[in-house]
Amino acid sequence: GQQLNQSPQSMFIQEGEDVSMNCTSSSIFNTWLWYKQDPGEGPVLLIALYKAGELTSNGRLTAQFGITRKDSFLNISASIPSDVGIYFCAGVYSGGGADGLTFGKGTHLIIQP
Amino acid sequence: DTAVSQTPKYLVTQMGNDKSIKCEQNLGHDTMYWYKQDSKKFLKIMFSYNNKELIINETVPNRFSPKSPDKAHLNLHINSLELGDSAVYFCASSQGHPPYEQYFGPGTRLTVT
Repeated sequence: GQQLNQSPQSMFIQEGEDVSMNCTSSSIFNTWLWYKQDPGEGPVLLIALYKAGELTSNGRLTAQFGITRKDSFLNISASIPSDVGIYFCAGVYSGGGADGLTFGKGTHLIIQP
Repeated sequence: DTAVSQTPKYLVTQMGNDKSIKCEQNLGHDTMYWYKQDSKKFLKIMFSYNNKELIINETVPNRFSPKSPDKAHLNLHINSLELGDSAVYFCASSQGHPPYEQYFGPGTRLTVT
């Protein structure tokens, strides 16, 4: 099945810094999604990307669907303490199988005040 | 109102028991899913289901079975629980096919002793 390589695995940053994380795949995806998971909660959708090259923002978050359809990145500008959590990229592949999301292994974001 | 809800939030049981986790969505979505999140936070699709089709990830043991009494509910039944089944299980739902944006429940932490 498809696999996503998400990096970095964890980030320790200062409040106010910008953050960048990315996902790459050996396979093409039709859709890229970015989720955030807080402790004890389910993943919450942040941004959805549907077209190669698409750049979408949601407040301080910006994500792009790579032109090759095999990668995506997420940027967070001016990080604040509530940005702490695990960020997951996810790809949708509609070629059969369970048609669920294929998730990256997550980026743990830790912010030092 | 909670969009995707799961019960129970926590489930502790002994090996060999049979247990069920319930999921309900009030989003009017036509497709529901079960995911398993392991101790390393890796999320993996187990099933996707709509009123037409159940698609099973081939790696899921047949001790796991989804049951859908209606479009808004997808319960997960697990027979003969094993230690390795300990994980957090998430229900999710989406509208349409292919499944683009998926919305997750808060998770059920299953501990098998």
